[in-house]
Amino acid sequence: DAGVTQSPTHLIKTRGQQVTLRCSPKSGHDTVSWYQQALGQGPQFIFQYYEEEERQRGNFPDRFSGHQFPNYSSELNVNALLLGDSALYLCASSERAGLNNYGYTFGSGTRLTVV
Amino acid sequence: GQNIDQPTEMTATEGAIVQINCTYQTSGFNGLFWYQQHAGEAPTFLSYNVLDGLEEKGRFSSFLSRSKGYSYLLLKELQMKDSASYLCAVAPRDSNYQLIWGAGTKLIIKP
Repeated sequence: DAGVTQSPTHLIKTRGQQVTLRCSPKSGHDTVSWYQQALGQGPQFIFQYYEEEERQRGNFPDRFSGHQFPNYSSELNVNALLLGDSALYLCASSERAGLNNYGYTFGSGTRLTVV
Repeated sequence: GQNIDQPTEMTATEGAIVQINCTYQTSGFNGLFWYQQHAGEAPTFLSYNVLDGLEEKGRFSSFLSRSKGYSYLLLKELQMKDSASYLCAVAPRDSNYQLIWGAGTKLIIKP
């Protein structure tokens, strides 16, 4: 049973560049959430996608955008990268209509370093 | 505002018991989660509490008091592999779509 898969695992980008991160949810899950986790901090909610639409958004600028495809996979795009965007980006999948009592299933994350 | 507080770091001895506390102030409450996260890895689900009381799962137990905005995670018979960060997260009532996370408690197990 495949869990949540994310790619790439690690990425180094230069300030001002754009990046796309990818996520395939756990089998049977149709909702994808993206989180940013800075070193030593808890994850911060970026946004959630369900039925190919952004259902809710956290306190992140418009430079952060996303997309969900018909097969439930998702992309996170970040434009005009800043040094402060360096973090672990986590994709979490869940079943529809929000969280059940098993919470999310997380992918292993993409470690983004902006130099 | 919404706030979740946990101790930054704790140290315990192999074979012992440790309790990790979490206090929260959120706009409503729709459940509290505990996750374990090893360094460089994804968080993994440990427990979920929505009603007051103690939930036991093997060596791990989680307690909730909604009136006090308080939870704890109890780890028994500690093993070296329990060295990890433990994250407390709350689902606010006004949002069923996201979790509000604490910064995590780094637990160090010593032989």
